[in-house]
Amino acid sequence: DQQVKQNSPSLSVQEGRISILNCDYTNSMFDYFLWYKKYPAEGPTFLISISSIKDKNEDGRFTVFLNKSAKHLSLHIVPSQPGDSAVYFCAASGSGSARQLTFGSGTQLTVLP
Amino acid sequence: DADVTQTPRNRITKTGKRIMLECSQTKGHDRMYWYRQDPGLGLRLIYYSFDVKDINKGEISDGYSVSRQAQAKFSLSLESAIPNQTALYFCATSDSGQGRNEQFFGPGTRLTVL
Repeated sequence: DQQVKQNSPSLSVQEGRISILNCDYTNSMFDYFLWYKKYPAEGPTFLISISSIKDKNEDGRFTVFLNKSAKHLSLHIVPSQPGDSAVYFCAASGSGSARQLTFGSGTQLTVLP
Repeated sequence: DADVTQTPRNRITKTGKRIMLECSQTKGHDRMYWYRQDPGLGLRLIYYSFDVKDINKGEISDGYSVSRQAQAKFSLSLESAIPNQTALYFCATSDSGQGRNEQFFGPGTRLTVL
């Protein structure tokens, strides 16, 4: 049973437009959420995170929104650039001692020039 | 130099062979992790270690073992490789003092078991 779901395996957007990547979770004990970006032949790299005490966190072109009641978070990239083309993973962490990350299956974003 | 390194980067082996994947880090982090990535399944945790004397099973530890030789080194072994262990394997590290559990990943090892 996947506790973190990314229901869109792929997304294509035009350069300059907004990219919106979505993530849903089922475990109400998750209290910290992260987005990772992965290029081919490289490991995932941390992009942005949000604590459950917030509903928005912004870092440059990247904004993460958290809707706790819906157990939903989204990553907005504005404006999208061709270099943003990558696989994006959503991850969630609980408040237990282990604080392990549970990952979604990823969304392949392609930004078209 | 990369903060988290993995060797080898690519490996092809046969069913039944013993394989070891190695991970080293220069970040000074106390926690280390091994994940595998399969198409459509994201990253799944195999084993994790909070320090040299602490090893814990993750979601999918069957068929794998690990060794934390030093704070900076964490190796993953497949005692008798099987084809469904063909995957991309990632090592990661984190700093328990940070409290946010942001993990830093190595470049991955692509393992093919024939």
